[in-house]
Amino acid sequence: QKEVEQDPGPLSVPEGAIVSLNCTYSNSAFQYFMWYRQYSRKGPELLMYTYSSGNKEDGRFTAQVDKSSKYISLFIRDSQPSDSATYLCAMKLSYNTDKLIFGTGTRLQVFP
Amino acid sequence: KAGVTQTPRYLIKTRGQQVTLSCSPISGHRSVSWYQQTPGQGLQFLFEYFSETQRNKGNFPGRFSGRQFSNSRSEMNVSTLELGDSALYLCASSIQGHEQYFGPGTRLTVT
Repeated sequence: QKEVEQDPGPLSVPEGAIVSLNCTYSNSAFQYFMWYRQYSRKGPELLMYTYSSGNKEDGRFTAQVDKSSKYISLFIRDSQPSDSATYLCAMKLSYNTDKLIFGTGTRLQVFP
Repeated sequence: KAGVTQTPRYLIKTRGQQVTLSCSPISGHRSVSWYQQTPGQGLQFLFEYFSETQRNKGNFPGRFSGRQFSNSRSEMNVSTLELGDSALYLCASSIQGHEQYFGPGTRLTVT
């Protein structure tokens, strides 16, 4: 069993929909949680960076972390065709390391 | 501010050869990490450097090695290449402990 589980999709939604992307993890020691977006043949682009449990909002994106359930989510409001990409969750144990453990990624397609 | 740069962007090598990949972090970033991305295994951590010291190493064979220079630039080396080493190799930099930003990657093909 992988440390971080993520549904690979693909997830196909119409433009303007609210998208919900999720990851579960097994190691309760994870403290920092990230979401990256990766377009085909590009490097991952950081979308959200959060510490511990709670919500964080940035424009159309909202990240939620529920450490008691070991579950994190990314919501995308008013989705656009340009949001079509693979979304990767990642997490790390502490401030003093940059070692990230990634989910396998969810492929999202937003059609006009 | 310039992002993370990686060279070369594409590389084709033959089994048994060795390869060196280079990463220049964002100016002011002293922490550099390397990852391997394949369709089957996803993104896997290779190693992490800070101030020329390796702080962490992932579960990869000793054929994979790296180093960091005093200007924070980093290189990784893979010796005795195998077909399974074909992957996108990604470098990320950060101000230690903070957000990590990735470069575009080096796509290595081993034939």
